[in-house]
Amino acid sequence: KQEVTQIPAALSVPEGENLVLNCSFTDSAIYNLQWFRQDPGKGLTSLLLIQSSQREQTSGRLNASLDKSSGRSTLYIAASQPGDSATYLCAANTDKLIFGTGTRLQVFP
Amino acid sequence: GAGVSQTPSNKVTEKGKYVELRCDPISGHTALYWYRQSLGQGPEFLIYFQGTGAADDSGLPNDRFFAVRPEGSVSTLKIQRTERGDSAVYLCASSLSHRLPYGYTFGSGTRLTVV
Repeated sequence: KQEVTQIPAALSVPEGENLVLNCSFTDSAIYNLQWFRQDPGKGLTSLLLIQSSQREQTSGRLNASLDKSSGRSTLYIAASQPGDSATYLCAANTDKLIFGTGTRLQVFP
Repeated sequence: GAGVSQTPSNKVTEKGKYVELRCDPISGHTALYWYRQSLGQGPEFLIYFQGTGAADDSGLPNDRFFAVRPEGSVSTLKIQRTERGDSAVYLCASSLSHRLPYGYTFGSGTRLTVV
């Protein structure tokens, strides 16, 4: 049974810092891994999708890496901004998406 | 439509009542998923459809929960004899096909409160 863990659970940083959010999964037989952003009281916005054959994906200031053999993915956020404040969720797809509990990020001016 | 649409956005119901939650997926997406998210938790899988059939309903918590997708497009999640523990945000997602590794697109969710 796939289990997904995210560390840290919460993070508070000053504007401008580079951040790393961690995601680990127990079953390495994944089709892909997807990172989402969730603002309070809102739905999920897809940020990046990494296929199992890929090592990383980039979108703007975001970069996600995938290491299937070790069961890990990281989301790197460069030059953080207050608008990045949200909960970040990773989800591993081993037939359906299984989610971690998220990292709640606060970026203060 | 341009995105996944869920209605209503908020639903307050009394304990013991029946509720229906609706999901309208992206046009052309054959796979549709229901998740439930409790406060401070990640979404938990309930059921998914590939076309009209429920391919995996292993996440439904008990037989009070049921979902249909009669024409392979719109889906309805039905909850009978609601309990306070059913209070959560119910999220719907769609994907081009479950058999191919496409990403999921989520709706904004229905916040269900059972009082």
